[in-house]
Amino acid sequence: DAGVTQSPTHLIKTRGQQVTLRCSPKSGHDTVSWYQQALGQGPQFIFQYYEEEERQRGNFPDRFSGHQFPNYSSELNVNALLLGDSALYLCASSLVATDGTDTQYFGPGTRLTVL
Amino acid sequence: GESVGLHLPTLSVQEGDNSIINCAYSNSASDYFIWYKQESGKGPQFIIDIRSNMDKRQGQRVTVLLNKTVKHLSLQIAATQPGDSAVYFCAEILYYGGATNKLIFGTGTLLAVQP
Repeated sequence: DAGVTQSPTHLIKTRGQQVTLRCSPKSGHDTVSWYQQALGQGPQFIFQYYEEEERQRGNFPDRFSGHQFPNYSSELNVNALLLGDSALYLCASSLVATDGTDTQYFGPGTRLTVL
Repeated sequence: GESVGLHLPTLSVQEGDNSIINCAYSNSASDYFIWYKQESGKGPQFIIDIRSNMDKRQGQRVTVLLNKTVKHLSLQIAATQPGDSAVYFCAEILYYGGATNKLIFGTGTLLAVQP
C-alpha cells in the first residue's frame, strides 16, 4: 500500500518564476492538504482540496493556487516566486470524516529553493 | 538531510530513560489532537492521536495526556531509543464542518537521545 508521494524531491528556481509541485495521496484517501514548512518551524496550512474543490485556505496570498484531479491527486502552483517562498512543501492526505477527525498522513515533501 | 530542529526547544535524554514532551495548544474548541514525529529530511509521521473526550491514550511505548483545562498536551515515550531522535510536533485539528479541517502545529521539540 503506497503512502503519500510527492514530486519533485528538490527544486531550485529564481525569483519571479513559477513552480508546480505534485502529490499523490495514500491509496483510499480523497482529501489533500498542502503545508509550507520553513526551516526550524512547524508546518503552516496553505489549503485543502476535497471533491476537486478548495474547501479551506490558510493565510497565503493568491500567488498560491492548487488543483485536485478526479483521481484525487493534487498540484500546488506558486507564481511570482519570492525568496521567502523557500521552504519544504508538504502534502498530506486523508479520508474525509464527518466529524472532522480524519487523520492526515504526510508525504516526504518537496524542498523548494528560490534564488 | 538538513535538520528541521534549528532554533527549536531541545530535550536531551539518555538512552533507556523516559521522555516527556510538552505542548500548549491555542483553541479551546479543538477536539482532536495528533502527535507527529519528523526526522531530518522527511515529512511528519503520525504517532498517536487523542480526542477531547479523553484525557489519556496509550500506544506502543507512547502515551499522550490531554489537559483541556489548561490547554496542554504531553507525549511520553518509554525507554527512549536512539531511533526516537527527531522533532516532535503536536497538532490540533480545527474543524469547519462538512469535509473541511486543518491542522495547526505547535512549535516543535527536538528530542536528542544520547547513547
